[in-house]
Amino acid sequence: AQSVTQLDSQVPVFEEAPVELRCNYSSSVSVYLFWYVQYPNQGLQLLLKYLSGSTLVESINGFEAEFNKSQTSFHLRKPSVHISDTAEYFCAVSDSGNTPLVFGKGTRLSVIA
Amino acid sequence: KAGVTQTPRYLIKTRGQQVTLSCSPISGHRSVSWYQQTPGQGLQFLFEYFSETQRNKGNFPGRFSGRQFSNSRSEMNVSTLELGDSALYLCASSLVGDRGIDEQYFGPGTRLTVT
Repeated sequence: AQSVTQLDSQVPVFEEAPVELRCNYSSSVSVYLFWYVQYPNQGLQLLLKYLSGSTLVESINGFEAEFNKSQTSFHLRKPSVHISDTAEYFCAVSDSGNTPLVFGKGTRLSVIA
Repeated sequence: KAGVTQTPRYLIKTRGQQVTLSCSPISGHRSVSWYQQTPGQGLQFLFEYFSETQRNKGNFPGRFSGRQFSNSRSEMNVSTLELGDSALYLCASSLVGDRGIDEQYFGPGTRLTVT
C-alpha cells in the first residue's frame, strides 16, 4: 500500500522568503500526486496535481512542485511567500483512478511578517 | 456551480449515541468519499461511494457506515460513539470521467465532538 511522508510538521518562514515543503511517497510503478491546502476551519482545496507529462507542475498562486521518480518525491516550492499562504499543506498520492487518496500528515506553514 | 456542502457543520454527541452526517456533492459528480481528520492520525480514508455502491473502504470498524442515494447525495453513520470518534469529517466529490482519476473537491467538514 502507498504511504506518504511529509518530513516537516511545521515550517516557519519570513514573508517574501522562499519555502520548500517536502513530500516523499513509497515507490510504485505509476502514481498520481497532489498537494492540497487547508485554511483554518475549512476543507481542503487542491493546489496542484501531477497526473502525467511534464514533471514540473504549477499553481495559479505561485506554487510549483516537481515530480522526481528516482527520489520518489514531490516537493512543493514557492519563491516568495505571503502572509496569506499561512495554512496547512497536505501531500497525497493515488496508485490509480480507482484507489483512494493516501495523505501525508500535513505541514503547517506559518508566514511571519 | 455550488460546491460540496456538508451538514451539520458542528455536532456534539454523547458516548454511546449514534450520528448521521450528510454530504451533497457538486452537481454532476458521481463519486463521494469520506475522510476522518484528527490531530493524531491526520487524514484517514473511510469509504467511497460511486453510483450508490461502496467502491472502496478504509480500515475502520463496522460502527462506521455510509450510503449514497440516486441523486449522489451521501450520508455516513457512526453508531455507539466513542470519545476517539471526535474529529473533523470531510466529504469529497469527484466527477469520475473516462480517464479514471479526477480531482476531489472537498466540503468544509462536520466537526463532531463526543463527550
